[in-house]
Amino acid sequence: QQQVKQSPQSLIVQKGGISIINCAYENTAFDYFPWYQQFPGKGPALLIAIRPDVSEKKEGRFTISFNKSAKQFSLHIMDSQPGDSATYFCAASNKAAGNKLTFGGGTRVLVKP
Amino acid sequence: NAGVTQTPKFRILKIGQSMTLQCAQDMNHNYMYWYRQDPGMGLKLIYYSVGAGITDKGEVPNGYNVSRSTTEDFPLRLELAAPSQTSVYFCASSAGTGLYEQYFGPGTRLTVT
Repeated sequence: QQQVKQSPQSLIVQKGGISIINCAYENTAFDYFPWYQQFPGKGPALLIAIRPDVSEKKEGRFTISFNKSAKQFSLHIMDSQPGDSATYFCAASNKAAGNKLTFGGGTRVLVKP
Repeated sequence: NAGVTQTPKFRILKIGQSMTLQCAQDMNHNYMYWYRQDPGMGLKLIYYSVGAGITDKGEVPNGYNVSRSTTEDFPLRLELAAPSQTSVYFCASSAGTGLYEQYFGPGTRLTVT
């Protein structure tokens, strides 16, 4: 059972453009929604995260939008740069269940100069 | 402060062999996790631990075993390696209880032939 579905699997964006990645979850007990960034040959690293009591969180060029009623959340990368080329994973966890992360399938982003 | 370290970086096993993947963290984190990442896929939780002496199964535990005798170390044991265990293995840790961020190690790439 895939509890977190992520789309698209890959996307190509021009430098300066906006990258948008979407995730949908099923388990309403999830109470933490992070996004991880992974470069080739490296482990994932936390990029930005949101709790369900807010609808949006922005950190620099990265914004999470959260829609609790629709059980969806998305990552927007504004003014995309070639250095943003990486694989992005959404995830969800529940503190009461040991903070175990359930990951989406990942989105490979390529930013063309 | 080295964070999360994993050894070895690469390993090739023959079918039926056994090995232990090592993971250590120096952040005094109580929570530790083992994930596997198959090509083009998200990470799946194998086992996790909420403290020394306490471990529990994740989504895909079959064929693996763990132990947690100290706060710092969380080794993953593969018994009777099978080709289906060819993957990249990531260890992660978090402080838990109110601090959700998981810090990932650099990964171990395992091939079973």
